[in-house]
Amino acid sequence: DQQVKQNSPSLSVQEGRISILNCDYTNSMFDYFLWYKKYPAEGPTFLISISSIKDKNEDGRFTVFLNKSAKHLSLHIVPSQPGDSAVYFCAASWRDAGNMLTFGGGTRLMVKP
Amino acid sequence: DAGITQSPRHKVTETGTPVTLRCHQTENHRYMYWYRQDPGHGLRLIHYSYGVKDTDKGEVSDGYSVSRSKTEDFLLTLESATSSQTSVYFCAISDPGTGIEKLFFGSGTQLSVL
Repeated sequence: DQQVKQNSPSLSVQEGRISILNCDYTNSMFDYFLWYKKYPAEGPTFLISISSIKDKNEDGRFTVFLNKSAKHLSLHIVPSQPGDSAVYFCAASWRDAGNMLTFGGGTRLMVKP
Repeated sequence: DAGITQSPRHKVTETGTPVTLRCHQTENHRYMYWYRQDPGHGLRLIHYSYGVKDTDKGEVSDGYSVSRSKTEDFLLTLESATSSQTSVYFCAISDPGTGIEKLFFGSGTQLSVL
């Protein structure tokens, strides 16, 4: 059973608007969450992360929100740009897991000019 | 780009044949990983290594074996390939104590088992 789920396989957004990608998890031990971005024919690259002691982390156009009670996190991209078109993976880990990550299934974001 | 090279980049093989994928790193990182990516499943850990000759199983290790005889090389072997092993395989590297964000992926190997 998947412990990290991204229920939207794809999302289409107009350039300049906000993109919101969602992720749900079931394992209460997870205390660190990450988003990775993947372009075709490339490996995933780290985008942004958040610790469970926070509920928000911002880096430029990217903001991740964490709702621990709902076991839900979201990635906001504002404003969205065509270059943001990629597959986004949510991932989770916990303190004693070392560098072991559990990934969600991914959401393909398409930003239309 | 992190110095990770995966070979081959693409491979087509037949059911029942052995296949070996190679990951080579120039970063001298201690930890190396093999993931597979499948639609709807994201990336799932197959095997990982925390040092030369030290390896362990991941979430989906059945049908796979690994070897690490040198720091820079991590090999993934499918002893007898099956169609369910058609996937994109990613190697990743990291160093302990550098933070979980410091997980770097190679560009992947597309494997098709016919």
